[in-house]
Amino acid sequence: GAVVSQHPSRVICKSGTSVKIECRSLDFQATTMFWYRQFPKQSLMLMATSNEGSKATYEQGVEKDKFLINHASLTLSTLTVTSAHPEDSSFYICSARGPLGGSYNEQFFGPGTRLTVL
Amino acid sequence: AQTVTQSQPEMSVQEAETVTLSCTYDTSESDYYLFWYKQPPSRQMILVIRQEAYKQQNATENRFSVNFQKAAKSFSLKISDSQLGDAAMYFCAYRSQAGANSKLTFGKGITLSVRP
Repeated sequence: GAVVSQHPSRVICKSGTSVKIECRSLDFQATTMFWYRQFPKQSLMLMATSNEGSKATYEQGVEKDKFLINHASLTLSTLTVTSAHPEDSSFYICSARGPLGGSYNEQFFGPGTRLTVL
Repeated sequence: AQTVTQSQPEMSVQEAETVTLSCTYDTSESDYYLFWYKQPPSRQMILVIRQEAYKQQNATENRFSVNFQKAAKSFSLKISDSQLGDAAMYFCAYRSQAGANSKLTFGKGITLSVRP
């Protein structure tokens, strides 16, 4: 089956610092990757969609300069939370999907990253 | 825009019993996918079952089955012989068939508890 990994699983940082979260598709090429944010006992909120080699498309209300997304290769996407503040504390989940019509056209989810900003 | 509604925030079921989780959606499209995802306490999203709108036959996966009513825009999940490991948050989701970047639209989710 398709596996998506995320690193780190947990991160604690000080206010004002930047944090990078990596998302990797381990056994398939992810043409599209998605980044979600989830608060406790709530649904997943889509932050942005990215395609390999092109700029991410952000959802309305998501600050592009604060949440930098890079999809540099078909197996790696990164989310950088810049100048993090306590309100950015949340659970971040990535998801990856293979090309249309292929075996991996489902959306496969990473295990998530818990970010705590002090 | 498509919307997915899960109106029940919580449900409880006795172990070995059957439970049905409700989901309705709104769309003007004729071709789309519907999904149920499970999110246990580990928070790893797990695909439970998937239904293509053009298929009239309801999808089944072992103890999990759906009741897909396209005209009514209803997509409920039935869990038979409930097990303690079924306790989790369940999300209903919709995805358009069109386009490589088509997104999943999630419902608010329902927390299912299983009583031993």
